[in-house]
Amino acid sequence: EVQLLESGGGLVLPGGSLRLSCAASGITFSSYAMSWVRQAPGKGLEWVSAITGNEADTYYADSVKGRFTISRDNYKNTLYLEMNNLRAEDTAIYYCAKEPGGYYEVSGLLDVWGKGTTVTVSS
Amino acid sequence: DIQLTQSPSFVSASVGDSVTITCRASQAISSYLAWYQQKPGKAPKLLIYGASTLQSGVPSRFSGSRSGAEFTLTISSLQPEDFATYYCQQLISYPWTFGQGARVEIK
Repeated sequence: EVQLLESGGGLVLPGGSLRLSCAASGITFSSYAMSWVRQAPGKGLEWVSAITGNEADTYYADSVKGRFTISRDNYKNTLYLEMNNLRAEDTAIYYCAKEPGGYYEVSGLLDVWGKGTTVTVSS
Repeated sequence: DIQLTQSPSFVSASVGDSVTITCRASQAISSYLAWYQQKPGKAPKLLIYGASTLQSGVPSRFSGSRSGAEFTLTISSLQPEDFATYYCQQLISYPWTFGQGARVEIK
């Protein structure tokens, strides 16, 4: 069974940094593109960032470009999201999700999701 | 960026009813559209991709269709476990945007 388990969320001051992790099990992790999607309190889904299985290509929403960095460690079966210069509007549940394929490319389709980790940016 | 507009944003329906949710794209996306279901406090779940292909394990009362740039998700014979929020997502181009969501509640 495929499982994705996010961690690293918490309360951080505006301007602060946080690193989220997503541990994958039950899959050959490197075969799949991965994404981060967030959901602000009471709001809809917002795609944040994606990375190909071979780590060659990364993608970002304009709202996080230059502040967030997605990466992965295919030996540790773990996806990361480094978040810097955090703002109040980054407050959300952050989900990691896998694609059905995507060693070389990202499609955006997300077939398995983790339970999410909560990030709160507040003074 | 491609905008997706879902309608209605809120539906009140009874068990056994048929419900249709529409998603309209701001530009042509062919059939590059997926639907997700999200229950309160839970992660989203993929229901349909390619506008009309049911994800494995999803009950057949869920169906999707496309007419030009308008897409519909239909739930026939609504069950208690179907009360949730439904999101469409376009997959033709980055950034892969979602609709604002459509909440289906018990009447």
